[in-house]
Amino acid sequence: DGGITQSPKYLFRKEGQNVTLSCEQNLNHDAMYWYRQDPGQGLRLIYYSQIVNDFQKGDIAEGYSVSREKKESFPLTVTSAQKNPTAFYLCASSRDRTVDNEQFFGPGTRLTVL
Amino acid sequence: AQKITQTQPGMFVQEKEAVTLDCTYDTSDPSYGLFWYKQPSSGEMIFLIYQGSYDQQNATEGRYSLNFQKARKSANLVISASQLGDSAMYFCAMREGPMRGNNRLAFGKGNQVVVIP
Repeated sequence: DGGITQSPKYLFRKEGQNVTLSCEQNLNHDAMYWYRQDPGQGLRLIYYSQIVNDFQKGDIAEGYSVSREKKESFPLTVTSAQKNPTAFYLCASSRDRTVDNEQFFGPGTRLTVL
Repeated sequence: AQKITQTQPGMFVQEKEAVTLDCTYDTSDPSYGLFWYKQPSSGEMIFLIYQGSYDQQNATEGRYSLNFQKARKSANLVISASQLGDSAMYFCAMREGPMRGNNRLAFGKGNQVVVIP
């Protein structure tokens, strides 16, 4: 089945540690996105990538980093510089950057900093 | 400034009744797209319906319809014949500006819907 997978589902991190969240899609989509969701809030864009080897900062990129070495994969690293990383992280992809297409979302990773 | 505004408090709706979720948006760009997503308690975001700024007719997808009032910058979602499985958070989102090279979405804070039997 085609879709987006995120792993792990739950992640616990100690303060001061970097952690990487995985996002893989087999939909052959060009564009991929990372969002953060805090309780009772909407989604905020962290980073996005429209093609391989290229990505742009979203609205809240500070303390995060990404790479896009393969079309299928868009991992997100939450660095120790991110002051309040506890949140729900959603990865998404969309088919074509030149037309309006809905974004398809993965199941999310819930990150908790201990 | 907030681009998408969803201000309704949590809503209870009787099963089989219709419910309208409000969404207003703010943009000066003539080209934009509006999306509605559903987020059940599992957390995954599910696409429901899309309306382009140049579309002449209101979008419909099964039990979902979008009441698009361009002059009022309003894109309300109507769910007809509510089902228990419709209980979820609902998010309105907008893509603004030319589509080429830009498909970022700005999300509202969501509307909570609880369907009661």
